[in-house]
Amino acid sequence: AQSVAQPEDQVNVAEGNPLTVKCTYSVSGNPYLFWYVQYPNRGLQFLLKYITGDNLVKGSYGFEAEFNKSQTSFHLKKPSALVSDSALYFCAVRGSPNAGGTSYGKLTFGQGTILTVHP
Amino acid sequence: NAGVTQTPKFQVLKTGQSMTLQCAQDMNHEYMSWYRQDPGMGLRLIHYSVGAGITDQGEVPNGYNVSRSTTEDFPLRLLSAAPSQTSVYFCASSYTGYEQYFGPGTRLTVT
Repeated sequence: AQSVAQPEDQVNVAEGNPLTVKCTYSVSGNPYLFWYVQYPNRGLQFLLKYITGDNLVKGSYGFEAEFNKSQTSFHLKKPSALVSDSALYFCAVRGSPNAGGTSYGKLTFGQGTILTVHP
Repeated sequence: NAGVTQTPKFQVLKTGQSMTLQCAQDMNHEYMSWYRQDPGMGLRLIHYSVGAGITDQGEVPNGYNVSRSTTEDFPLRLLSAAPSQTSVYFCASSYTGYEQYFGPGTRLTVT
């Protein structure tokens, strides 16, 4: 079974400082990895994804994430945090289509990390 | 494109009532999924579909049914509502292996 762990329920950073939101995963075969953000009373918005290729992936709003296969991690990063980045962040994984069956359609989310950026 | 649409936005049911949450997408995506979001629990997959006529169970399927007769629509049926089904429900769709697009959600309260 595939799974995602976000070890920190909350992350607090000061505006202008770098931020990291951690994510580790478990999946059969090659992982497809995603980060989503949710603002209060809104649906989830896609930030970035790793499918294949360069381990450093750049996404929306200045966010990036680093895929580390040996550590099965996909941490979300931003060099300089903004107060407007404060939100709930979710990491997610799905198996690759060549894994067989229908399980590759299944996206599994972590529990979410609340990011608070202080002025 | 309207993207992923969900109706209704809010619903209050009494225990034992049944209802259908509607989800539609106009992006010709093969994959569609239903999630429920509860405080401290993240998003949990209820049911998903990899194409018309094909559905499978997710993590928390009990008490819910789905069908996928067309590519566009993926309704979620609550057979006999229970207070434990009070939640926010999200529908999502995607192409093969790519990011999912989420609808705005349905906030369901069962009394």
